[in-house]
Amino acid sequence: QKEVEQNSGPLSVPEGAIASLNCTYSDRGSQSFFWYRQYSGKSPELIMFIYSNGDKEDGRFTAQLNKASQYVSLLIRDSQPSDSATYLCAQRRGGNTPLVFGKGTRLSVIA
Amino acid sequence: NAGVTQTPKFQVLKTGQSMTLQCAQDMNHNSMYWYRQDPGMGLRLIYYSASEGTTDKGEVPNGYNVSRLNKREFSLRLESAAPSQTSVYFCASSVRQGPDTEAFFGQGTRLTVV
Repeated sequence: QKEVEQNSGPLSVPEGAIASLNCTYSDRGSQSFFWYRQYSGKSPELIMFIYSNGDKEDGRFTAQLNKASQYVSLLIRDSQPSDSATYLCAQRRGGNTPLVFGKGTRLSVIA
Repeated sequence: NAGVTQTPKFQVLKTGQSMTLQCAQDMNHNSMYWYRQDPGMGLRLIYYSASEGTTDKGEVPNGYNVSRLNKREFSLRLESAAPSQTSVYFCASSVRQGPDTEAFFGQGTRLTVV
């Protein structure tokens, strides 16, 4: 079992709707969580990270973390066709450890 | 700003050939990583270097070797390429490895082994 699990999708939402992307993790030692966006043929780019329980908002994006349930989510409000991409969830343990990625969820925003 | 630069961008190898993928960062980052990305598999860590002079195995190190040449450069070598190593390879770097530290990615190298 991979340490970080994501539904591969595709997740299709209409333009203007809220897209909800989910991620679960198995390592209770995980301290921080990152959401990356990857357009087809391009490299991943960071959207935001979170390491405290609760919500963290940045523009149209909200990351949610629930450490008790080992669950991380990313909400995208007012989804746009330009949000169509693969979204990668990653976790990092404390200390000197690299990011561990999930398989990614493909999002398609339909105009 | 160059960020993380990988060379080459594309490469075709024959089975058994060797090659080195180059990666350089100009952000004065301490940590560097090599990932591979295959369809449906996400990003898997091959090797990483937490700091200059150190390297460690990741999830899928077999068939690869790495060299942290200096603080800027981290190379990945395939000694005898196999079709199973056909993948997109990403180099990444981060200033350190604390819990709030993101990784910055290069543009990737698309490798095909025939």
